[in-house]
Amino acid sequence: NAGVTQTPKFQVLKTGQSMTLQCAQDMNHEYMSWYRQDPGMGLRLIHYSVGAGITDQGEVPNGYNVSRSTTEDFPLRLLSAAPSQTSVYFCASSSGDRAPNEQFFGPGTRLTVL
Amino acid sequence: KQEVTQIPAALSVPEGENLVLNCSFTDSAIYNLQWFRQDPGKGLTSLLLIQSSQREQTSGRLNASLDKSSGRSTLYIAASQPGDSATYLCAPDNYGQNFVFGPGTRLSVLP
Repeated sequence: NAGVTQTPKFQVLKTGQSMTLQCAQDMNHEYMSWYRQDPGMGLRLIHYSVGAGITDQGEVPNGYNVSRSTTEDFPLRLLSAAPSQTSVYFCASSSGDRAPNEQFFGPGTRLTVL
Repeated sequence: KQEVTQIPAALSVPEGENLVLNCSFTDSAIYNLQWFRQDPGKGLTSLLLIQSSQREQTSGRLNASLDKSSGRSTLYIAASQPGDSATYLCAPDNYGQNFVFGPGTRLSVLP
């Protein structure tokens, strides 16, 4: 099992550019989430999905878009990048309602917006 | 809204000491609680998960306890080693709605 994979590992964007951060898991997990981690702010939830075709907003959803067409994939789209979106982005997955609902994280994507 | 605090924010100890990291949460209606470790510049690694029906979980030198009624969890690390140096995060799970993370405890174990 590869677990949770994320691409790219690093990315530099210019203000106004768009891009998609990829996330995939091979554990047949229902729940997938995107977090951003900033110094002094901890981990904050951006968007999450409880299953294919179902997504919802987290704590900081503005400027981001998600979709979940398959169980395995949960891409995060930056519509028009801003310097405030410079952060480390983590994707996570868990089994959802099936106990024990342990959450697994990808290695992260370091994004810099100039 | 679930709020999570962790004490201390940072801790520096000599190698070999036993230590306790504390996690407090405001909403006791949790499904489980998970402890993670994060090394600088890396992702989160799951250490222990305690289900709401359990009081504690053990893995090697790590022992995590959970007291739902008081909104507290502790992570006990026995015989600390320099390799234990990392940031430790706790995250209660409110019935699969989503995990809420604490700010973490930054641990340094000095050789």
